[in-house]
Amino acid sequence: DQQVKQNSPSLSVQEGRISILNCDYTNSMFDYFLWYKKYPAEGPTFLISISSIKDKNEDGRFTVFLNKSAKHLSLHIVPSQPGDSAVYFCAASVEYGNKLVFGAGTILRVKS
Amino acid sequence: KAGVTQTPRYLIKTRGQQVTLSCSPISGHRSVSWYQQTPGQGLQFLFEYFSETQRNKGNFPGRFSGRQFSNSRSEMNVSTLELGDSALYLCASSLRSQGITEAFFGQGTRLTVV
Repeated sequence: DQQVKQNSPSLSVQEGRISILNCDYTNSMFDYFLWYKKYPAEGPTFLISISSIKDKNEDGRFTVFLNKSAKHLSLHIVPSQPGDSAVYFCAASVEYGNKLVFGAGTILRVKS
Repeated sequence: KAGVTQTPRYLIKTRGQQVTLSCSPISGHRSVSWYQQTPGQGLQFLFEYFSETQRNKGNFPGRFSGRQFSNSRSEMNVSTLELGDSALYLCASSLRSQGITEAFFGQGTRLTVV
């Protein structure tokens, strides 16, 4: 039972445009959400997070939106750059412990 | 400061053998978690250790075990290896266990079982 789902295996975007990566979850106990970026042969790198008490968090070109009623979050990258090409993982957790539940990932390709 | 260090980076083992992977967390981090990444499955949580105690465990068979030492370094052991155990094993460390902080990942150990 996949509690965190990233339904788009891949996304291709033109440089300078917006990239929108989506994530859905089923467990209403999740109260903290994170996005990680992963290049081949490297470990995932933390990008941005959001607590369930917020609906938006921004950090530079990255913004995460959380819609708790829809159990949906999205990562917006504006403007997209070729260096953003990587696999993006959505992850969720409950407050206790550090067990992160990850989605399967979305491959983002930014074309120049 | 130094990041999370995993050794070895690559490993080839034969079915039926056992393997031990090592993870040194960021200095000061007391929580260490292990994940398995396979194509199409994303990252699957194996277990988490905090102050030498296993706090959380994922849905993996008993062949997968781990431990944490007093200096927070952690090892993961897989016994009676199967072909399906071929994967990238990632270790993550974080500052505290109660309440979520960002987990920082190592580069992983690529295990191939032949």
